[in-house]
Amino acid sequence: IVLTQSPGTLSLSPGERAALSCRASQYISNNYLAWYQQTPGQAPRLLIYGASSRATGIPDRFSGSGSGTDFTLTISRLEPEDFAVYYCQHYGSSPRNTFGQGTKVEIK
Amino acid sequence: QVQLQQSGPGLVKPSQTLSLTCAIFGDSVSNKSAAWNWIRQSPSRGLEWLGRTYYRSKWNNDYAVSVQSRITINPDTSKNQFSLQLKSVTPEDTAVYYCTREGSEWYLFDYWGQGTLVTVSS
Repeated sequence: IVLTQSPGTLSLSPGERAALSCRASQYISNNYLAWYQQTPGQAPRLLIYGASSRATGIPDRFSGSGSGTDFTLTISRLEPEDFAVYYCQHYGSSPRNTFGQGTKVEIK
Repeated sequence: QVQLQQSGPGLVKPSQTLSLTCAIFGDSVSNKSAAWNWIRQSPSRGLEWLGRTYYRSKWNNDYAVSVQSRITINPDTSKNQFSLQLKSVTPEDTAVYYCTREGSEWYLFDYWGQGTLVTVSS
């Protein structure tokens, strides 16, 4: 499965809403789609799993939605610490787990 | 709270072996509900899963096809850690290497090490 994220870069101001897209080349069963956040110099951090479940400690301004082949990560109001790169990932039983190429959310 | 602490050299010569270790705090390498992975990240390849080790009734390993002839991941129960060895490295193996825990679902990575930049250069 190939994951395509769009846009490549999203330029927004603090307080604005961000919507990031992840499209899969094949149907993803069981909503096995995760989102990670990576800030400069840091490891990725799990935000969302099961397409819409927040990981432990993740603020509720982060939400995930979608099913099948189209998924969205929404950040309701951008905080300064949210400017980062976001990756989607298909996980599950296949050893060929894949990550998308990432969407950078930058300060406008 | 699980913490993963990586160690190992940041510079490796071509044709030599890359060796990294990941110490586990707050969990056990023998946890039958977890698996322990290595992932690397480079501008050219993005995030690339390399392999994992996990214990069920015995120790198991899975490796990415791209590196399976060169990679070994071993658990060390006495030190509660696991290691990565990648043989015959080339400059294409230059990347940031992460150890991760796979918890509730296969290949869902809930905890990550801090990352180690490994440069392959003479």
